[in-house]
Amino acid sequence: RKEVEQDPGPFNVPEGATVAFNCTYSNSASQSFFWYRQDCRKEPKLLMSVYSSGNEDGRFTAQLNRASQYISLLIRDSKLSDSATYLCVVNRGGSYIPTFGRGTSLIVHP
Amino acid sequence: GAVVSQHPSWVICKSGTSVKIECRSLDFQATTMFWYRQFPKQSLMLMATSNEGSKATYEQGVEKDKFLINHASLTLSTLTVTSAHPEDSSFYICSAPRIREEQYFGPGTRLTVT
Repeated sequence: RKEVEQDPGPFNVPEGATVAFNCTYSNSASQSFFWYRQDCRKEPKLLMSVYSSGNEDGRFTAQLNRASQYISLLIRDSKLSDSATYLCVVNRGGSYIPTFGRGTSLIVHP
Repeated sequence: GAVVSQHPSWVICKSGTSVKIECRSLDFQATTMFWYRQFPKQSLMLMATSNEGSKATYEQGVEKDKFLINHASLTLSTLTVTSAHPEDSSFYICSAPRIREEQYFGPGTRLTVT
């Protein structure tokens, strides 16, 4: 089993739609979780950290389910500019070492 | 603004030569930096952890004699691809953890070996 698994998609949605991505992780000792966004041929940029209590930033909501070992990202009212690859990142238990999922591709169309 | 820089942003070299890539943290000290490689349409693959003042820690399957890492100071780590071959052509990215363990990424270096 891979350390971090994501559905690669692509998720093809119309503008204004709500879309959700899930990511599962295998190391139960992991404590830090993040969602990054990567545009084509660019470096990843932090979208949001994922806290135990869940967190929201505008149209984006991230949640953590430790019992089932998954994190989720919900995007509401999708914009064309949301089209990108969304990377799930889980730090290895007790360390700063990040482990990346393969990314989920989102395409928002008019 | 950018907090991690990389140089060069792209490089073309001949097979058999060596290429050095620099990664700098711009306004913070980084005792640890990470190096990744990304092939087209694939995710980032962690190659090694660069530790200031000590040897780098390489991921399984990454040849330490081919990918030389030197963390010369608290703001600089270098990756040297030695005796490069066409299959080494890739996008190389570095990152440094800052606050809350979030990674800040350099803009990446696109290496093409001919």
